[in-house]
Amino acid sequence: AQTVTQSQPEMSVQEAETVTLSCTYDTSESNYYLFWYKQPPSRQMILVIRQEAYKQQNATENRFSVNFQKAAKSFSLKISDSQLGDTAMYFCALRLNRDDKIIFGKGTRLHILP
Amino acid sequence: DTAVSQTPKYLVTQMGNDKSIKCEQNLGHDTMYWYKQDSKKFLKIMFSYNNKELIINETVPNRFSPKSPDKAHLNLHINSLELGDSAVYFCASSPDRVQETQYFGPGTRLLVL
Repeated sequence: AQTVTQSQPEMSVQEAETVTLSCTYDTSESNYYLFWYKQPPSRQMILVIRQEAYKQQNATENRFSVNFQKAAKSFSLKISDSQLGDTAMYFCALRLNRDDKIIFGKGTRLHILP
Repeated sequence: DTAVSQTPKYLVTQMGNDKSIKCEQNLGHDTMYWYKQDSKKFLKIMFSYNNKELIINETVPNRFSPKSPDKAHLNLHINSLELGDSAVYFCASSPDRVQETQYFGPGTRLLVL
């Protein structure tokens, strides 16, 4: 069975700082995708970034980047120059290539302080 | 121009009632999903439909019945609502079954009293 673990239930950082959210996962499969989703107070789930497991290069989307360590099954999210609008719940997720469903971690609540 | 929309946004009802949540996507996607997010924010898939055909049913009680009149819509009907059904329900869609990215709707907060 696949699992996704986020060990930080809650974090707070000052605006403009860099913050890293941790995620580890477990799967015996070799082909999969990893995601970070953001859920702001509006509750909508917004895709932040995705990573194909077969790609060694870490994905980057503007201020968001990941550190993908396949051997360690680690997939952390780095937010640079954090902004107040980054305040949200962040979910790490795993999707196997052969499967339809996404497996989510329990989330990390991130507070960006002014 | 909302991609995935859900109605209603909030739903408060009495235990034992029957209610429906509607979902529509205008992205032309073939696959749609229903997720449940409980009070602890844990998000778990309930159903997946591909071109109106049920693909995933994650041991959800049969009081929950998804209905897909066409591939742009996936509605969720819940019979005999129970207190434990209180949660936020998210609809999502993806271009096809092998597409890795799912696009989520805004969620429907259901409160059963």
